[in-house]
Amino acid sequence: NAGVTQTPKFRVLKTGQSMTLLCAQDMNHEYMYWYRQDPGMGLRLIHYSVGEGTTAKGEVPDGYNVSRLKKQNFLLGLESAAPSQTSVYFCASSYTVGREESYNSPLHFGNGTRLTVT
Amino acid sequence: ILNVEQSPQSLHVQEGDSTNFTCSFPSSNFYALHWYRWETAKSPEALFVMTLNGDEKKKGRISATLNTKEGYSYLYIKGSQPEDSATYLCAFINFNKFYFGSGTKLNVKP
Repeated sequence: NAGVTQTPKFRVLKTGQSMTLLCAQDMNHEYMYWYRQDPGMGLRLIHYSVGEGTTAKGEVPDGYNVSRLKKQNFLLGLESAAPSQTSVYFCASSYTVGREESYNSPLHFGNGTRLTVT
Repeated sequence: ILNVEQSPQSLHVQEGDSTNFTCSFPSSNFYALHWYRWETAKSPEALFVMTLNGDEKKKGRISATLNTKEGYSYLYIKGSQPEDSATYLCAFINFNKFYFGSGTKLNVKP
């Protein structure tokens, strides 16, 4: 049981290049999230998905696209990388989200991808 | 965008000290409040999931309380140990989204 796996772990891009970050979970979770973490700013939500075939924008979606073609995978794409996208990216998943405690499970995080755009 | 604030930003304590920190969040449209522990070079791990006003949770020397009406949660660590050194994050859950505070970085000196 691997949990949440992110690939790659590190990447350096030049401005204007594109790349895709892959997140895979083997826990049959419905909800998946992409966050970026910048110094002093905590985790900011980029995009999220509440199930296979669905995606929605988070707090900072500009410059990113996502896809959830299979329940276990959530892809984050950068079409034209910019230096402002230098960050550490975390994927997370959750089984349920709701008001009742029995419907409220915590997030499970991947180990992060450190991306540098020069 | 919802504002989740944590204080203090950082805390330095001696081994054996007890400490606490605060998470403030909007009091409307509350679903749940989570606490996570984030060690350097690792990924965040869940400590507590809290949903009810007045909730109190405990795990060993760490406990948390929740006040949804006034929009705050406290995390307490009793008798801090060096292995408690980490960043402690709270997350406010609203509909399907998790909004994180910027964390409190705790350093426990032996």
